[in-house]
Amino acid sequence: KQEVTQIPAALSVPEGENLVLNCSFTDSAIYNLQWFRQDPGKGLTSLLLIQSSQREQTSGRLNASLDKSSGRSTLYIAASQPGDSATYLCAVRRNSGNTPLVFGKGTRLSVIA
Amino acid sequence: GAGVSQSPSNKVTEKGKDVELRCDPISGHTALYWYRQSLGQGLEFLIYFQGNSAPDKSGLPSDRFSAERTGGSVSTLTIQRTQQEDSAVYLCASSTWGQSYGYTFGSGTRLTVV
Repeated sequence: KQEVTQIPAALSVPEGENLVLNCSFTDSAIYNLQWFRQDPGKGLTSLLLIQSSQREQTSGRLNASLDKSSGRSTLYIAASQPGDSATYLCAVRRNSGNTPLVFGKGTRLSVIA
Repeated sequence: GAGVSQSPSNKVTEKGKDVELRCDPISGHTALYWYRQSLGQGLEFLIYFQGNSAPDKSGLPSDRFSAERTGGSVSTLTIQRTQQEDSAVYLCASSTWGQSYGYTFGSGTRLTVV
């Protein structure tokens, strides 16, 4: 059974810092991995998707990496801003197409001005 | 539509009543998923539909929960005889085929059972 773990559970940083959020998964036979952002009381917004054959994806100040063999992904946020404060969720899709995403419990990020 | 639409956005119901939650996926998306997020908890998979195949109901917590998807588009999640522990945010997502395609989520329905 696939399990996804995110560390740390919560993180508080001053504005301007670079930071790394970690995600690990137990079964390396994944189809893809997706990072989401969730603001309080809101739904999920997709940030980045990495296919199983890819090593990383970048969007603006965000960079996500994937090491499938070791079961790890990281989300790097450069030059953090107060508007980045949210919960970040990592989710993996099993290696058989349209199967349910398995989510970690998220990292709650606070960026202090 | 342009995104996944869920209704209502908020629902308060009395314990023991039945509720229906609606999800309108992105046009053309063949797969539709329901998740539940309880306060302070992660996302819990409930059920998913793929095209005309039988739905995967493996995540439904009890037989009080059911869902249907009519015409391969709109889905309704029904909770019968609601209990206080059913209080949560119910999230719907849709996706299409292909490794480069991820999920798109709706804004959710916040259900409160009093």
